Amino acid sequence: AQSVSQHNHHVILSEAASLELGCNYSYGGTVNLFWYVQYPGQHLQLLLKYFSGDPLVKGIKGFEAEFIKSKFSFNLRKPSVQWSDTAEYFCAVKALSSASKIIFGSGTRLSIRP
Amino acid sequence: NAGVTQTPKFQVLKTGQSMTLQCAQDMNHEYMSWYRQDPGMGLRLIHYSVGAGITDQGEVPNGYNVSRSTTEDFPLRLLSAAPSQTSVYFCASSERTGGEQFFGPGTRLTVL
Repeated sequence: AQSVSQHNHHVILSEAASLELGCNYSYGGTVNLFWYVQYPGQHLQLLLKYFSGDPLVKGIKGFEAEFIKSKFSFNLRKPSVQWSDTAEYFCAVKALSSASKIIFGSGTRLSIRP
Repeated sequence: NAGVTQTPKFQVLKTGQSMTLQCAQDMNHEYMSWYRQDPGMGLRLIHYSVGAGITDQGEVPNGYNVSRSTTEDFPLRLLSAAPSQTSVYFCASSERTGGEQFFGPGTRLTVL
């Protein structure tokens, strides 16, 4: 069955540190990939998405992610985090050839020390 | 556009009670879905719909029913609430299957 793994449950960084959050999925076919963010007290919103083409995608607020098909990964990166990046981050995968389900990872809580 | 709206924002139920969580979108999106969010488990798909009159089960459908009589509305029904259904429920919609999803503000449900 299709699954999504986010191995980092809670990440704590200082401001200006670099960020990389891991996301791996278990489906061998064509996929659509997403990163969503949930700021404290708010609902989820899209950070970035990959459907096809350049495997390095850029999203809002300086975030980017790289799709590495051979590793079944879609890691999220930001070169220099800010206190306002404190949030929970979710990776999501849609397998294009399966029934119409989008599966989310368990999320990574990011805490930024001012 | 209001986007995706959900009511109520908060609800407390007793075990065995039934209720309906409402979800509506005004973007004419075909795809709608319901998720529950629990600590450490992320979002789990309960039910989804690819258009009016078409629904299907997600990862955790037991104890929940849905229907999709119109494009705009996608209510989630709890037939007999259980404490295990205490959670935050999110409704989402997207223009097409596999596209960007827009989420509602959520309903925080407590079952005593």
